[in-house]
Amino acid sequence: AQSVTQLDSQVPVFEEAPVELRCNYSSSVSVYLFWYVQYPNQGLQLLLKYLSGSTLVKGINGFEAEFNKSQTSFHLRKPSVHISDTAEYFCAVRLRSGSARQLTFGSGTQLTVLP
Amino acid sequence: DTAVSQTPKYLVTQMGNDKSIKCEQNLGHDTMYWYKQDSKKFLKIMFSYNNKELIINETVPNRFSPKSPDKAHLNLHINSLELGDSAVYFCASSQDIIDEQFFGPGTRLTVL
Repeated sequence: AQSVTQLDSQVPVFEEAPVELRCNYSSSVSVYLFWYVQYPNQGLQLLLKYLSGSTLVKGINGFEAEFNKSQTSFHLRKPSVHISDTAEYFCAVRLRSGSARQLTFGSGTQLTVLP
Repeated sequence: DTAVSQTPKYLVTQMGNDKSIKCEQNLGHDTMYWYKQDSKKFLKIMFSYNNKELIINETVPNRFSPKSPDKAHLNLHINSLELGDSAVYFCASSQDIIDEQFFGPGTRLTVL
């Protein structure tokens, strides 16, 4: 079975500083990788996804992530954060094949951007 | 125009009651899902329907029964509510099970 580990439950960072949210996954077969954002009292919104091709993926709101197959990681980065980026961020995986194709989520990372 | 909507947004009820949460999507998607988010914000799939047919049923108590009257709706009925059922329940939809999922705003269920 696949699993996702988000190494940091909380990441405080000052406005305009860079940030990296870490995600590692475990799976015996190939996976698709996703990052979702959840703003307070809202549902999840897709930030970006890696399906194939270039390992550097750009998403909405200036976020990007890099797929590293050898390290089984998919870390999320932003060079300069804004107060409005304060939210919960979830990394997720889905198997590329087989019958179990639902999303498996990590435990989330609360990003708090400080003024 | 809300893509995936859920009602109610908040639900407070007593232990032992039966309640339903409704979900509707206007995206024309074939697949719909229910997720449960616990107090630690951990998200876990509960059910998935494709063209009104159940395709994913994780280890969920029988007290939870999804019902899909048509492709645009996936309702969640919960019998004999327990304290541990308190959580935020999210509905989602996708064109196919391998496509991007769109989430509803969530229903916060509190069982007293």
